Amino acid sequence: DGGITQSPKYLFRKEGQNVTLSCEQNLNHDAMYWYRQDPGQGLRLIYYSQIVNDFQKGDIAEGYSVSREKKESFPLTVTSAQKNPTAFYLCASSATWEKLFFGSGTQLSVL
Amino acid sequence: SQQGEEDPQALSIQEGENATMNCSYKTSINNLQWYRQNSGRGLVHLILIRSNEREKHSGRLRVTLDTSKKSSSLLITASRAADTASYFCASISSGSARQLTFGSGTQLTVLP
Repeated sequence: DGGITQSPKYLFRKEGQNVTLSCEQNLNHDAMYWYRQDPGQGLRLIYYSQIVNDFQKGDIAEGYSVSREKKESFPLTVTSAQKNPTAFYLCASSATWEKLFFGSGTQLSVL
Repeated sequence: SQQGEEDPQALSIQEGENATMNCSYKTSINNLQWYRQNSGRGLVHLILIRSNEREKHSGRLRVTLDTSKKSSSLLITASRAADTASYFCASISSGSARQLTFGSGTQLTVLP
């Protein structure tokens, strides 16, 4: 069953803590993306990767970090430098820019 | 930055009616895409229209594109309660920064 799996579905972060959101795809897509969605808002691009071992900053990369060591995996770390991390985080992958496939999202909240 | 802005922000209609959502964008684009998001879920790709196309159909969906006005519309005909969702337009600018940028979305509620 092909698709994108995000985990966990819900995540809580304590002040000063780094947390990592998982994103795995078995669609054999080269490109992967992380978006942030605030309530009632559209999606804003955090980071994207078009190939293994390479990634680019999006519009709101500050306070986040990523890695792309495997084609299937693109984890996102929300660092303590991100002062307003509460949001819905969406991972996506694509073969081209013309159709993105999204995971079901991770809701991150601050304790 | 928000490339696309949807209008209206929220729309409520009765089942069987048509729903029209509009999207405006700022810069020249290669294509424009529409996505749907059910509450608390990921987005699902609905349809793509290229910059050299003016209209495209897919089932009950009809998309138009007016590049002179930098706008697009999504029409859902004969709406159903299951169409209740948020709808987003997304576009890639024609420039070198090839990022897919999403609008703020239209929340559609179809009442049974």
